This record gives sequence, C-alpha cells and structure tokens, in this order.
Amino acid sequence: DTGVSQDPRHKITKRGQNVTFRCDPISEHNRLYWYRQTLGQGPEFLTYFQNEAQLEKSRLLSDRFSAERPKGSFSTLEIQRTEQGDSAMYLCASASRVAVHGDEQFFGPGTRLTVL
Amino acid sequence: SQQGEEDPQALSIQEGENATMNCSYKTSINNLQWYRQNSGRGLVHLILIRSNEREKHSGRLRVTLDTSKKSSSLLITASRAADTASYFCATDPNQAGTALIFGKGTTLSVSS
Repeated sequence: DTGVSQDPRHKITKRGQNVTFRCDPISEHNRLYWYRQTLGQGPEFLTYFQNEAQLEKSRLLSDRFSAERPKGSFSTLEIQRTEQGDSAMYLCASASRVAVHGDEQFFGPGTRLTVL
Repeated sequence: SQQGEEDPQALSIQEGENATMNCSYKTSINNLQWYRQNSGRGLVHLILIRSNEREKHSGRLRVTLDTSKKSSSLLITASRAADTASYFCATDPNQAGTALIFGKGTTLSVSS
C-alpha cells in the first residue's frame, strides 16, 4: 500500500494560465474525492467519483474546473484561466471498495497552487 | 459551507498535559471523524465514531459523541511535542457516498 499520491506537490502559475493536477488513489479504492483547502480553513468538498462516474459536484466547482477519472483509477483536476482566488491546497482522498458507508477517507499530501 | 465548528481555535499546552478539543455540527450524521494535519501537509485519519456510539478510544485518543447536542470532543492524553498539528472534525451526513464536511480546525501547540 503506497497510499494516495498527488502530482505536482507545488505549482506556481500566472493568472489566466491552465493547470492540471493528478491524483493516484489507493489501488483497490473505488471512491475518489477532491477537496480544496485555503489557509486557516478546513478542506471543502469539490467533487466525488465512484469508479469512473462523477457522482457529485460542489457549487464551488465553477465552469473553469473540470475533473475526470477516465478508467476508474487515477483522476485529474484541471483549472482553466486561473484566478488569484484559486490559490489553495488541492487535496485528493480515496475510500474503500468495500461499500461500508462512512469508511474513513485516505488523503494524499496535496498540491499547493499559487496563482500570481 | 462548513458544518463543524471546533473549539478552541488554538490551544497551547506543555508536554504531558491533556488536550481537549470540541466540535459542534448542525445536521444529522452517519458518523464523525477526527483528522490531524501537520503544517502544509495532507490529513491523517485519527478515529471514526458512528452515530450509535458514545465513546471510542484509540491509544492516547478518546472521542465522545453526543448526538442530542450535536457535539463531539477529542481528548489527547499525555501530549507530546509531536502532537503539534491542526485537528479537524469531519462529519459524514446521512447520505451514501457524500463527502466529509470539515470544520475550521483547532491548532494545537505542545511545547517541551
């Protein structure tokens, strides 16, 4: 078990550029979540996948954000035309295939995005 | 929006002392979880307590849940400098597969 990995760990970009982040969940986990965390706050939910299906999206996920999980394994989160307000830590989490409702979520180390 | 509210926002104690953090939430839940986050890093799951449980222990951690008051507490006994971190409660609403709802966290500082 190598845990949840995220890439890159840090990203600095200029306003208006597009960025893409990758998340590799724990291999046997079928549920995958993206969260955003700003300084001094707890993580806020962005979107949720079960296998390759995107089942839920937060209203925080504006039209500039898109997430995919094409084969039910890794996931990508893309932000188009970045704004300074997008600066945050983007966290990915995965949860077990065993459908016991309410299992713990395993978090990756996060990608810290800075938009200049 | 965030459902949980931790109290206090910050806590400073000496090594060996106990640390108690409280969490209040607004809606019905399936379970409540506590996570730890070291500065600038991902979250580590500490303990999960289900809505039909009142108390749970794990090592130096003790969690209580009072669903009538919509509140939970996390007690860390005999704290160590390594316990210095932010602690978040997260609620799992009564809906299958939905995301956790986190509070703003308590920042714990343990000095040696």
